[in-house]
Amino acid sequence: GQQLNQSPQSMFIQEGEDVSMNCTSSSIFNTWLWYKQEPGEGPVLLIALYKAGELTSNGRLTAQFGITRKDSFLNISASIPSDVGIYFCAGYTPSHNAGNMLTFGGGTRLMVKP
Amino acid sequence: DADVTQTPRNRITKTGKRIMLECSQTKGHDRMYWYRQDPGLGLRLIYYSFDVKDINKGEISDGYSVSRQAQAKFSLSLESAIPNQTALYFCATSDPASGTGIYGYTFGSGTRLTVV
Repeated sequence: GQQLNQSPQSMFIQEGEDVSMNCTSSSIFNTWLWYKQEPGEGPVLLIALYKAGELTSNGRLTAQFGITRKDSFLNISASIPSDVGIYFCAGYTPSHNAGNMLTFGGGTRLMVKP
Repeated sequence: DADVTQTPRNRITKTGKRIMLECSQTKGHDRMYWYRQDPGLGLRLIYYSFDVKDINKGEISDGYSVSRQAQAKFSLSLESAIPNQTALYFCATSDPASGTGIYGYTFGSGTRLTVV
């Protein structure tokens, strides 16, 4: 099946630092999504991107849909302790997924030191 | 109450035992999913259902079965649990007609299953 390569696998940063993580694929997606999973909870949708080149912000979070449609990145500015969690990218394309399924990346575990 | 409720939250079971994980939702969504999460592997789809009469295998369905008892309930069974089924299991729902469409999956809080 399709695979999304997400990097880095983990990050340990100081509060106030900016964070960048990305997701790449050998296949084209026509929608990219970013989810956050907090400890003990299920993933929650943060940002959805629908067009190549699209740049979307949600508070301190900014995500972009790569021009090639094979990648996406998520930036978090001025990190705070509550940013801790696992961030997942997910991609969707009807030509590859039966029944409109999402393909998830392996996740980036973010740890923030106060 | 949570929109998507999974029970139990944690379970330890022995190899060879049959175990059922349950999921219920109050969102009125037709589509329900079971995912498995392993460290570094992200979320992998086990089974999905688009309505009560529609059940489909995902990428890792071997060793699992499901039952869609009603629109609101979707259970996952391990007929004979084995240690490599130790993982975090998530149920999710979606609705193409909702505000976030097919992409706006709502996840439960997960069931942590340990097979010893």
